[in-house]
Amino acid sequence: DSGVTQTPKHLITATGQRVTLRCSPRSGDLSVYWYQQSLDQGLQFLIQYYNGEERAKGNILERFSAQQFPDLHSELNLSSLELGDSALYFCASSVSPGSTYEQYFGPGTRLTVT
Amino acid sequence: AQTVTQSQPEMSVQEAETVTLSCTYDTSESDYYLFWYKQPPSRQMILVIRQEAYKQQNATENRFSVNFQKAAKSFSLKISDSQLGDAAMYFCAYRGETSGSRLTFGEGTQLTVNP
Repeated sequence: DSGVTQTPKHLITATGQRVTLRCSPRSGDLSVYWYQQSLDQGLQFLIQYYNGEERAKGNILERFSAQQFPDLHSELNLSSLELGDSALYFCASSVSPGSTYEQYFGPGTRLTVT
Repeated sequence: AQTVTQSQPEMSVQEAETVTLSCTYDTSESDYYLFWYKQPPSRQMILVIRQEAYKQQNATENRFSVNFQKAAKSFSLKISDSQLGDAAMYFCAYRGETSGSRLTFGEGTQLTVNP
């Protein structure tokens, strides 16, 4: 158990819908990362937050957005869902955003868009 | 942009034998970190081993060791005395100082351990 929690574990929804994925980082970790794992794109970085502020953006679609709240939990919002958005979404956390700090992964949320 | 390549989509090994998984990367950064992650059927991402680029000594964690060739930009993982529980997808990953702390992953190698 990495100490990073993600809810829900599974999510099934229809095209065009909007969903919110939630992540709670390890106690004491200030930085949160979101990654997407799909059959087509592999594992790719979406976005990073540090202490409530967006820190870095990767291959995140405009239909997707995220935020980190004052209690440091983070939410990833996916809207106008398409079949291709079906994937496993991971959250990871680290103490600080620097590259020397280890990232600990949550168990992931499996999203299925039908 | 940094890229990570794993040229072996699948590998298999006999229990108790040794197997080596290959990884190459491309970067212009001088300071970076390399990782091997294991993803078993549970889908959890588990850190196996990490290597700092400035360290010449290869990292070792119990039965897992790496062969880090900085000039060749190669980072292979050796698993000794393979166990059934080692069966998983293995991802090589890169994280650089100037590219932020994002991880860039390879395509993965599916390892099967035969009893």
